[in-house]
Amino acid sequence: QVQLQQSGAELAKPGSSVKISCKASGYTFTSYYISWIKQTTGQGLEYIGYINTGSGGTNYNEKFKGKATLTVDKSSSTAFMQLSSLTPDDSAVYYCARKADFDYWGQGVMVTVSS
Amino acid sequence: DIQMTQSPASLSASLEEIVTITCQASQDIGNWLAWYQQKPGKSPQLLIHSATSLADGIPSRFSGSRSGTQYSLKISRLQVEDTGIYYCLQRYSNPRTFGGGTKLELK
Repeated sequence: QVQLQQSGAELAKPGSSVKISCKASGYTFTSYYISWIKQTTGQGLEYIGYINTGSGGTNYNEKFKGKATLTVDKSSSTAFMQLSSLTPDDSAVYYCARKADFDYWGQGVMVTVSS
Repeated sequence: DIQMTQSPASLSASLEEIVTITCQASQDIGNWLAWYQQKPGKSPQLLIHSATSLADGIPSRFSGSRSGTQYSLKISRLQVEDTGIYYCLQRYSNPRTFGGGTKLELK
């Protein structure tokens, strides 16, 4: 069965970076894009961008350019998102999701930015 | 960016009642709309894709429709397990944008 297994919760200090992962199983990893979504209580769901898991090509929401960097390791069927120059506004739950319709989602990673 | 205006923000309904949630797109998005259900502490789950197509494993009491740039999610006979927050998503253009969500509770 299709699964997207994300890494664990992160507690980070302002100004630092975190890198969260999304390991896919149950399907051919390179067949479908992986997208990333941010969820906060105040802003709801926000689309960050996607990565073409075959070519590594990326497309970002302008709002997250310079904040998020998407990469992929085909050998381990894992997608990554690095968030840099963290501020308290980056505190959120981050999801990865498969395909254009987001038909499968990871369980989410809570990132907390606090000094 | 395309704005998705979702209504109502919250809704309380009785068991077996018919429930309708709507999303209004700020411009034409064709049928590039999906609906999701999210339960507390869980990831969103795809219910409807391409405006009207039921996702795999989703009960047939859920249905989607479109009238111009207005999209609706209908639950024909509300069940206990249907409580949660519902979101629409447009994937016509980047950045994809979500509606603000509808919190559905049982009366």
